[in-house]
Amino acid sequence: DSGVTQTPKHLITATGQRVTLRCSPRSGDLSVYWYQQSLDQGLQFLIQYYNGEERAKGNILERFSAQQFPDLHSELNLSSLELGDSALYFCASTGGGVGTGELFFGEGSRLTVL
Amino acid sequence: QQPVQSPQAVILREGEDAVINCSSSKALYSVHWYRQKHGEAPVFLMILLKGGEQKGHEKISASFNEKKQQSSLYLTASQLSYSGTYFCGTESRDTDKLIFGTGTRLQVFP
Repeated sequence: DSGVTQTPKHLITATGQRVTLRCSPRSGDLSVYWYQQSLDQGLQFLIQYYNGEERAKGNILERFSAQQFPDLHSELNLSSLELGDSALYFCASTGGGVGTGELFFGEGSRLTVL
Repeated sequence: QQPVQSPQAVILREGEDAVINCSSSKALYSVHWYRQKHGEAPVFLMILLKGGEQKGHEKISASFNEKKQQSSLYLTASQLSYSGTYFCGTESRDTDKLIFGTGTRLQVFP
């Protein structure tokens, strides 16, 4: 158990819909990362937050947005869903800058768009 | 910007050794190595911060050549439990992004 909690674990929805994925980081971790992993593909960096503020952005689509709340949990919002958005979405947390420590990954939220 | 890993796949018998390489076109601050088993989350193996520094984790070690922006992961006397996909993650000096490589699928057979 990494200490990072992601909900829901599985989600099935239709094209055009909107979903919200939630992540609770390890206790004390200020930094949250979001990654997208399509079937048998690599980990694509989406976005990073540190103590409530956006710190780094990857190739995140405009249809996607995220935020980190004062209690440090984070949410990833995916809207106008397309078939290609089907993937495993991972959240990871760390204490501070990546260079200072390891990322602890949640079990992921598997999104299926039909 | 995505680091490139080689080889893409490795098949081993128990007890054999393997090397996985990771290279980047950007000046690096750190290199991470993670292992992901099918259907599971990636698990941290090690992080390298200094040029040429080698770190170890059980029979798995790694090196980081900061000048060449390259890292190598060494797996010695492989075990069945080593099977999985190995990802390197690189962080450059001007960003907090941890960008993962293309992955190397390792299969160890008895």
